[in-house]
Amino acid sequence: EVQLVESGGGLVKPGGSLRLSCAASGFTFSSYSMNWVRQAPGKGLEWVSSISSSSSYIYYADSVKGRFTISRDNAKNSLYLQMNSLRAEDTAVYYCARPLNSSSNHYFDYWGQGTLVTVSS
Amino acid sequence: QSALTQPASVSGSPGQSITISCTGTSSDVGGYNYVSWYQQHPGKAPKLMIYEVSNRPSGVSNRFSGSKSGNTASLTISGLQAEDEADYYCSSYTSSSPAWVFGTGTKVTVL
Repeated sequence: EVQLVESGGGLVKPGGSLRLSCAASGFTFSSYSMNWVRQAPGKGLEWVSSISSSSSYIYYADSVKGRFTISRDNAKNSLYLQMNSLRAEDTAVYYCARPLNSSSNHYFDYWGQGTLVTVSS
Repeated sequence: QSALTQPASVSGSPGQSITISCTGTSSDVGGYNYVSWYQQHPGKAPKLMIYEVSNRPSGVSNRFSGSKSGNTASLTISGLQAEDEADYYCSSYTSSSPAWVFGTGTKVTVL
């Protein structure tokens, strides 16, 4: 059974940092691109970042470029999101998401339960 | 990376059909067949309902169907059921960046 479990969320002050983790199981993690998608309270979904299976290709939304860093450790079946210079508008539930198949990253069919990040003084 | 445009809400009675639109540009919806649709119940993670404009993942009811014309994609739910009451989001690959963009979301209410 495919499982994605996020952790690392919490309350942080503006300008602070946080590192999110996503532990994957039930599939060959090293074969899939992976993604972070966030959802602010009461708002819609926003794609944040993607990383290819071998970390060769990395993409960011303009809203987080230069502040967030996505990475992965295929040996540990884990995905990470290092978030620096956090702002109030980064407050959201952050989801780890896996694409439908290993050859494409256009559709996300497995999602974690999400971890809440709150940026507030 | 502007969000795709969806109606804020759509409603229908049980058994009826409803259609949700998703309007983008030639850089996203109109330029690629990488349009997908997600269903999200309150407090839950999104669920993939349609991919590549009109394909259903295994396990998704055939009451859900997708289509595209020009820069606008559509999700149709036929035989509306109480369990279909949820938020629905479209998504598309976009040549801007490159990246992926979601729609503004549509709340479906079953009357």
